[in-house]
Amino acid sequence: NAGVTQTPKFRVLKTGQSMTLLCAQDMNHEYMYWYRQDPGMGLRLIHYSVGEGTTAKGEVPDGYNVSRLKKQNFLLGLESAAPSQTSVYFCASSYRRTNEKLFFGSGTQLSVL
Amino acid sequence: AQTVTQSQPEMSVQEAETVTLSCTYDTSESDYYLFWYKQPPSRQMILVIRQEAYKQQNATENRFSVNFQKAAKSFSLKISDSQLGDAAMYFCAYRGSQNAGNNRKLIWGLGTSLAVNP
Repeated sequence: NAGVTQTPKFRVLKTGQSMTLLCAQDMNHEYMYWYRQDPGMGLRLIHYSVGEGTTAKGEVPDGYNVSRLKKQNFLLGLESAAPSQTSVYFCASSYRRTNEKLFFGSGTQLSVL
Repeated sequence: AQTVTQSQPEMSVQEAETVTLSCTYDTSESDYYLFWYKQPPSRQMILVIRQEAYKQQNATENRFSVNFQKAAKSFSLKISDSQLGDAAMYFCAYRGSQNAGNNRKLIWGLGTSLAVNP
């Protein structure tokens, strides 16, 4: 099983450029999440989805948009990248139950110059 | 609001020795779930162990065990017979029991970086 796959693994953007991060899971999970990880700040939830066609805001949603048109895919978009969005981005997925563990992708290192 | 605190930014242990990582949390809920995740240098987070608050028995997974003190709101992770592959960042996380709204989200600590010395 591939589990959770994130693409790309690395990306460098210039301020104002846009990009989309793709997350794909092959475990038929209902829930999917986008996190960002910054030194000294831990993991912060950007957006999440509880099912196909649904999305919701997390702790730090500003500057990001998401879509979940298919159950297995969760896309994170940056419309106009800013240096403050330099971070490592993680996608995760899980089954619906609250005690379920999260399965994580290997992350995307994004630098915005 | 719930919070999770890991008071040890860095820890080190000798190979084959035992180490305990601390985690405390604050909540007004009586039912919830606690997790320890490991993030090795490869970056991919994996679950180490989880505990349901309604269970009095401490969870154990091979060399990993927890000391869950509900009254004290403490959830420490003990790693026995430490191995070089245990070197990683360890995150403690909390989730409420209600599967709606904010309780779908995990509340994360800032992590403890564990070094294992040969």
